Amino acid sequence: GNSVTQMEGPVTLSEEAFLTINCTYTATGYPSLFWYVQYPGEGLQLLLKATKADDKGSNKGFEATYRKETTSFHLEKGSVQVSDSAVYFCALSDKSNTGKLIFGQGTTLQVKP
Amino acid sequence: ETGVTQTPRHLVMGMTNKKSLKCEQHLGHNAMYWYKQSAKKPLELMFVYSLEERVENNSVPSRFSPECPNSSHLFLHLHTLQPEDSALYLCASTRGAGMGTEAFFGQGTRLTVV
Repeated sequence: GNSVTQMEGPVTLSEEAFLTINCTYTATGYPSLFWYVQYPGEGLQLLLKATKADDKGSNKGFEATYRKETTSFHLEKGSVQVSDSAVYFCALSDKSNTGKLIFGQGTTLQVKP
Repeated sequence: ETGVTQTPRHLVMGMTNKKSLKCEQHLGHNAMYWYKQSAKKPLELMFVYSLEERVENNSVPSRFSPECPNSSHLFLHLHTLQPEDSALYLCASTRGAGMGTEAFFGQGTRLTVV
């Protein structure tokens, strides 16, 4: 079945460091791919998405490129801020047409000043 | 503010209690979802409603009973829960049910079963 695997956390970085959070997926066909972010005490918010191979999603300085050949959708940011501290979830939307999302386990990011 | 509101934010209930979680969306969406978020586990889809009809039930125990009276409201009725049901329950909505549609989430209800 479809699944998403994220790197284990927590990831602890200093402010202005480069961020990479790895995400790989297993799916039949070509799913849409998402990164969601969950700030403390909040629900999930869409950070970025890509709907076809080689698409790059970007938002708030974060980027991720849909790589079909490596079945990956790694999240990157060139210079993190303390306010980026949150839990990041990689997810895919399969072809079932129910709109459901399959999530990775989440990666906690802690950015220290 | 995502346009999806969940109440209550926190709930503590005994194993013999009956309670309900409520979700309301003000986005004009026509699909709504319940997800369960447990510590150190991926979010698990519980139920999907599209146009007020349940279109998916992911092998959820019958002690969880969803209700969708209209496209703006979704309930999760709880009875005789177990301590392992303690989790964050998240409601989401989408404009349609197609692939690639952005989901909008509520802030969740933190449920503790004692």
